[in-house]
Amino acid sequence: QVQLQESGPGLVKPSETLSLTCAVSGYSISSGYYWGWIRQPPGKGLEWIGSIYHSGSTYYNPSLKSRVTISVDTSKNQFSLKLSSVTAADTAVYYCASFYYDSSGPPRGAFDIWGQGTMVTVSS
Amino acid sequence: EIVLTQSPGTLSLSPGERATLSCRASQSVSSSYLAWYQQKPGQAPRLLIYGASSRATGIPDRFSGSGSGTDFTLTISRLEPEDFAVYYCQQYGSSPPGWTFGQGTKVEIK
Repeated sequence: QVQLQESGPGLVKPSETLSLTCAVSGYSISSGYYWGWIRQPPGKGLEWIGSIYHSGSTYYNPSLKSRVTISVDTSKNQFSLKLSSVTAADTAVYYCASFYYDSSGPPRGAFDIWGQGTMVTVSS
Repeated sequence: EIVLTQSPGTLSLSPGERATLSCRASQSVSSSYLAWYQQKPGQAPRLLIYGASSRATGIPDRFSGSGSGTDFTLTISRLEPEDFAVYYCQQYGSSPPGWTFGQGTKVEIK
């Protein structure tokens, strides 16, 4: 079955770019799933960041769109998140997640597969 | 953007009791594209309900979802000790596609 594992620096300096990777195992990233990033600040709720299909089709949270880039690397079977100009407000647990997509119509899916999450702190 | 408002913020109940959680959307959720998740401390969220009323794989039948349009409900018929957690609703029917979460309801032991 599909398994997801986040990785990346746990500490990022203010104004720099946060970069995370989600490794996909048990399935080819090039078929059948939409891949996404969700974050959760300490003690707070969940916030969707963005989603991507292997074709490169992406959707971003409008509130973060100007700072976010999500990409797929099919050769490594992984997808990535870059968030620029970070501040302390970007401190959060970052999750990667996915749902099955049958390639018809706009993507409409609830995230049923999640990584364990990785904590990222923005601090100098 | 569709805003989801969950109520109550905290629900204090005893094991064996019935829990009723509400999720209200700022505009109609297309085709009942509404999901519910359970999250325990230190864990990733787990999908419970999708399509407003369909249970995800492996979810016990004490969990049920209902509703349409702007008003949705998650019901836990009889609370088990492992059900005390935070629950989030999420919509995924907006156009263009986007996924938004409610702020969560904590179900705590009374």
